[in-house]
Amino acid sequence: GIQVEQSPPDLILQEGANSTLRCNFSDSVNNLQWFHQNPWGQLINLFYIPSGTKQNGRLSATTVATERYSLLYISSSQTTDSGVYFCAVSKTSYDKVIFGPGTSLSVIP
Amino acid sequence: GAVVSQHPSRVICKSGTSVKIECRSLDFQATTMFWYRQFPKQSLMLMATSNEGSKATYEQGVEKDKFLINHASLTLSTLTVTSAHPEDSSFYICSARGNGIYEQYFGPGTRLTVT
Repeated sequence: GIQVEQSPPDLILQEGANSTLRCNFSDSVNNLQWFHQNPWGQLINLFYIPSGTKQNGRLSATTVATERYSLLYISSSQTTDSGVYFCAVSKTSYDKVIFGPGTSLSVIP
Repeated sequence: GAVVSQHPSRVICKSGTSVKIECRSLDFQATTMFWYRQFPKQSLMLMATSNEGSKATYEQGVEKDKFLINHASLTLSTLTVTSAHPEDSSFYICSARGNGIYEQYFGPGTRLTVT
């Protein structure tokens, strides 16, 4: 099955700093999502981005499908950005979704 | 956006009893629902996939007689943990997907503690 890696595993940022999170996957995928799991456990959809670039406020994401990676950019980080960021992929819409191990982000004031 | 609710948010039960967790899609019809399990500081592990009106498909290693899943309508799926044991203690999360749509939307999760 598809292997998903995320880096870094842990990240501590000062409020206001920028960061880049990376997701590598071992096979071609047609579907990729980024999620933020807040400290209470709720998963929040950030982006559905099987290819290309999208932006939503301070967050943006880029997926280079041919090179099998996706990047999530967080600019001007805030303490509310703390939590775990997961990427999740599937080869087709009929295959099960594979979650990466996550990047745990702590933003300190 | 699409909203998924889960109930209860937290439950404590005694070993040997059964617990039912409900997952509801509030503003869309969920043709497919997923149940995940998450241990502390770990990623989500898919337990089963259920399509409305069909039997659930369980992932390898997940006991279907222990984790009963019912997806009887387009807005409701239930997970029943039967004869719960302390090792079943975990965070259970459901997600839902509409027909022809890839994106999954997640419920807030249920923290199960078996004493």
